[in-house]
Amino acid sequence: AQSVSQHNHHVILSEAASLELGCNYSYGGTVNLFWYVQYPGQHLQLLLKYFSGDPLVKGIKGFEAEFIKSKFSFNLRKPSVQWSDTAEYFCAVQYSGAGSYQLTFGKGTKLSVIP
Amino acid sequence: NAGVMQNPRHLVRRRGQEARLRCSPMKGHSHVYWYRQLPEEGLKFMVYLQKENIIDESGMPKERFSAEFPKEGPSILRIQQVVRGDSAAYFCASSQEGSTGELFFGEGSRLTVL
Repeated sequence: AQSVSQHNHHVILSEAASLELGCNYSYGGTVNLFWYVQYPGQHLQLLLKYFSGDPLVKGIKGFEAEFIKSKFSFNLRKPSVQWSDTAEYFCAVQYSGAGSYQLTFGKGTKLSVIP
Repeated sequence: NAGVMQNPRHLVRRRGQEARLRCSPMKGHSHVYWYRQLPEEGLKFMVYLQKENIIDESGMPKERFSAEFPKEGPSILRIQQVVRGDSAAYFCASSQEGSTGELFFGEGSRLTVL
């Protein structure tokens, strides 16, 4: 079965620290990759996406992610986090083929940024 | 996000009752998806609908759950005879196209079954 793994359940950082959240997916051919963020009390929002082309993708609010095909990974990074980045982050994969509209989500990583 | 609107935001039901969750997609979107998030889990796909059509309900439990997206009005996810295990957050998403994966989510409806 297709699956997405997020390595960290809860990450606690101080402001200005660098962030890297891991995401690995099971092999399934061509994929589209996404990171969503859910701020406290709010809806899921798209941070960034990768469909094709440059494997280093830049998103909103200074976030970026790198697609490494050989490692089936799509890690999220930010050089310097802010308190307002406190949220839950979800990696999601869209596999090609039948049912390609479905997104398979990881379990999420809660990020707490301490001022 | 000019918004995918979901209501109610919170719903409490006793075992055996029915739960109805509503979702109005973003303006101009004709594709609606329902996802469920159980505690400590990621979102799991339930059903994909277009107006008056269920395209894929492979993620729906076989019994008690149904979904519709009528020609007029919101999409409705119905859970009959709820059980404690149905307690979860139910998220609706919409998109303009069916296969780009660019989903816009609502704030979710949190169902608690007593």
